[in-house]
Amino acid sequence: AQKVTQAQTEISVVEKEDVTLDCVYETRDTTYYLFWYKQPPSGELVFLIRRNSFDEQNEISGRYSWNFQKSTSSFNFTITASQVVDSAVYFCALSDSGAGSYQLTFGKGTKLSVIP
Amino acid sequence: DAEITQSPRHKITETGRQVTLACHQTWNHNNMFWYRQDLGHGLRLIHYSYGVHDTNKGEVSDGYSVSRSNTEDLPLTLESAASSQTSVYFCASSERPRGETQYFGPGTRLLVL
Repeated sequence: AQKVTQAQTEISVVEKEDVTLDCVYETRDTTYYLFWYKQPPSGELVFLIRRNSFDEQNEISGRYSWNFQKSTSSFNFTITASQVVDSAVYFCALSDSGAGSYQLTFGKGTKLSVIP
Repeated sequence: DAEITQSPRHKITETGRQVTLACHQTWNHNNMFWYRQDLGHGLRLIHYSYGVHDTNKGEVSDGYSVSRSNTEDLPLTLESAASSQTSVYFCASSERPRGETQYFGPGTRLLVL
């Protein structure tokens, strides 16, 4: 069975600090997909990144970066020089051939608070 | 611009009533999904559809039903609302079914009294 673990329930940082959100997944598949979504206080879910299991290249997009390591089944998300607007709940999700054929299984989320 | 909308955005109902939540997308996506979000559980899949007249049960489908009569809409029905169904409901759609990015609607906050 697939599973996504976000061990950090809540994190608080001071503005301009760097912060890493952890995501560990379990799957038996060799082909799978990983995602990060952001849910700001307004409640909508915003797609951030999708990564397939064959692409272990790290990704950088502005202040955001993602570190995908198959050896440790982790897909961690780092925000550099955090800003108040980064305050949100962040969800990691896995899509594999498990329950319901490639449906998304979400972690329980990490609530990030950036303090000015 | 293409989008996915949900209505109503907020609803209060009573135990035992039938409730239907609407989801409409203009992406022309074949694949549509319903999730519920509860504190401590993240998002859990209720039902999904890969196309017109196709519906499938997700992880938490008991007490819910969906029907797909066209590409754009996937309404979610609570047959007899229960207090345990108080939640925030999200609809999503994707271009392809396997491993593709799902784009979410704004959510419907449902309170069952």
